[in-house]
Amino acid sequence: ETTITQSPAFMSATPGDKVNISCKASQDIDDDVNWYRQKPGEAPIFIIQQATTLVPGIPPRFGGSGHGADFTLTINNIEPEDAAFYFCLQHDNFPYTFGQGTRLEIK
Amino acid sequence: QVQLQQWGAGLLKPSETLSLTCNVSGGSFSGSFSGYYWNWIRQPPGKGLEWIGEIDHTGIVHYNPSLKSRVLVSLDSRVTTSFATSKNQFSLELKSVTAADTGVYFCAIGRPMDVWGKGIAVTVSS
Repeated sequence: ETTITQSPAFMSATPGDKVNISCKASQDIDDDVNWYRQKPGEAPIFIIQQATTLVPGIPPRFGGSGHGADFTLTINNIEPEDAAFYFCLQHDNFPYTFGQGTRLEIK
Repeated sequence: QVQLQQWGAGLLKPSETLSLTCNVSGGSFSGSFSGYYWNWIRQPPGKGLEWIGEIDHTGIVHYNPSLKSRVLVSLDSRVTTSFATSKNQFSLELKSVTAADTGVYFCAIGRPMDVWGKGIAVTVSS
């Protein structure tokens, strides 16, 4: 089973900041990583597919990088609406596994 | 726009069977859902997400080994026999539940999880 270590668990940012969220896999998972954003009471939203590809309709402030075992979600020019829970998913091998998530607070 | 809605019993007693259904609207097996995977995921209180299992449109399933002995994911029977059906539902059964099965259960479809439902809270308590 591939273990995904996501960090940080919590972070606080100011509008206009740039933030990075990391997911590290316990083995090589190619680029089979997706990123999601979830707000309380809402369905998770798909924001990055295959590690680097922005999902259509998602603002270009969001970006993904990485390959193999290290992956990063970057949010540029943070806006108040970006306050949410972010998590990554590896779908390279079964069982699929998730990062523990990052709660992003906007000051 | 594809939307997923889940329903099922939200309160169970230990040893009972959890049964949830996910309805997918805004598409069809013969059209935009062709080649998609249908997944169930859960999140215990205060913990991370756990993948439960997936089924594809042909009925091939994969389960999390941690739950495999108790779980069944299935498509609506009409779906497996007719790609032209407009009823897009799939289900989750989890047998012999305990308090450890308490959490929010999500359904998601895609390649493998493009669109998610809002989740349904399930509590197991005597």
